[in-house]
Amino acid sequence: GESVGLHLPTLSVQEGDNSIINCAYSNSASDYFIWYKQESGKGPQFIIDIRSNMDKRQGQRVTVLLNKTVKHLSLQIAATQPGDSAVYFCAEKLTGGYQKVTFGTGTKLQVIP
Amino acid sequence: GAGVSQTPSNKVTEKGKYVELRCDPISGHTALYWYRQSLGQGPEFLIYFQGTGAADDSGLPNDRFFAVRPEGSVSTLKIQRTERGDSAVYLCASSQGQGYGYTFGSGTRLTVV
Repeated sequence: GESVGLHLPTLSVQEGDNSIINCAYSNSASDYFIWYKQESGKGPQFIIDIRSNMDKRQGQRVTVLLNKTVKHLSLQIAATQPGDSAVYFCAEKLTGGYQKVTFGTGTKLQVIP
Repeated sequence: GAGVSQTPSNKVTEKGKYVELRCDPISGHTALYWYRQSLGQGPEFLIYFQGTGAADDSGLPNDRFFAVRPEGSVSTLKIQRTERGDSAVYLCASSQGQGYGYTFGSGTRLTVV
């Protein structure tokens, strides 16, 4: 993926507002997508996934949207809380036998109390 | 165990030295993955084990890097003749197999001075 060096894209959101984090994925053949949350000093944590036969999937306070035409994913977080502050990564994978998960560039979410 | 355990959590070594990083996956997880994460970037795939065998080592950057999983459980990532460019967080993940999500450990932060 494209490197952003030390300067992650940052999204600052007021507590209670909704957050939208965007991601462009690279492989048009990918058919499984995952969002991960990574807090400082920890490994990535699974949030939500979506398969390519869907364009929307909802979880608790989170929604993932998939637009295969433009190879775009978004993660929507409702009523953002301070505990949501972290770096968020989208990841892509091909299903059908072994394929590794490939991570995209992260977005840092800062929640302003 | 309850989660993926990685030891040590931090490792400082001198350039040219040999290091070993350990990963204890979740009990019963047959698939194990090593990733490397540089500051401000997403994790990059290194190697995947299914059971005892390395099913995909295409992400290992060069022959200084080697990993083993002799009994299909604990894995060790070995780096010879370390270089300053090897400094990164090394993440391990495990899963029940293909089609299942990964659980990541908290990583080992390697600093080569």
